[in-house]
Amino acid sequence: NAGVTQTPKFRVLKTGQSMTLLCAQDMNHEYMYWYRQDPGMGLRLIHYSVGEGTTAKGEVPDGYNVSRLKKQNFLLGLESAAPSQTSVYFCASSYNSRTGERELFFGEGSRLTVL
Amino acid sequence: QQQVKQSPQSLIVQKGGISIINCAYENTAFDYFPWYQQFPGKGPALLIAIRPDVSEKKEGRFTISFNKSAKQFSLHIMDSQPGDSATYFCAASIWGNQGGKLIFGQGTELSVKP
Repeated sequence: NAGVTQTPKFRVLKTGQSMTLLCAQDMNHEYMYWYRQDPGMGLRLIHYSVGEGTTAKGEVPDGYNVSRLKKQNFLLGLESAAPSQTSVYFCASSYNSRTGERELFFGEGSRLTVL
Repeated sequence: QQQVKQSPQSLIVQKGGISIINCAYENTAFDYFPWYQQFPGKGPALLIAIRPDVSEKKEGRFTISFNKSAKQFSLHIMDSQPGDSATYFCAASIWGNQGGKLIFGQGTELSVKP
């Protein structure tokens, strides 16, 4: 049982490049989230999904896109990376509809640097 | 109104002492208040959580105190140990709405000196 797995763990991009962060969960969770963590700012929600095929904007969605084509996967895309997107990105999942469990579980993070 | 404000930003405590971290919120619709613990290079992990129908919840050395009228809640770590050194985040959400998404405080970096 791996929980929430993020790939890649580290990435360096040049301004204007694109990339996709992949999140996979094996807990049969309905909800998935992407947060970014910056010093002194806590964790801020970028986008989230309450089910396969659905996505919604969080607090800081600009410059990011997401897709949830399969229940277990949640992709975060940067179409044209900017230095302001240098951050540590965390994926999380929650809510097993069969057990009723609602605790949020996080991955170990993906550190992105945009030069 | 969606903000959660956390203080202090950093905290140094001697081994065996009490660590206290405070959070305040504005949205009275919040009905779930967890605390997360994060070690360097790791993702946050749930430490303890409370609903507003109780004023206190204790799990081992960790206690949440909740003051609904003041819209404040705090984490108390009794007999603090060097292994408790980590970053702590408070959070709040509306449990049955909007996917249960959490709004986090800014974080407190706790250092427990031996």
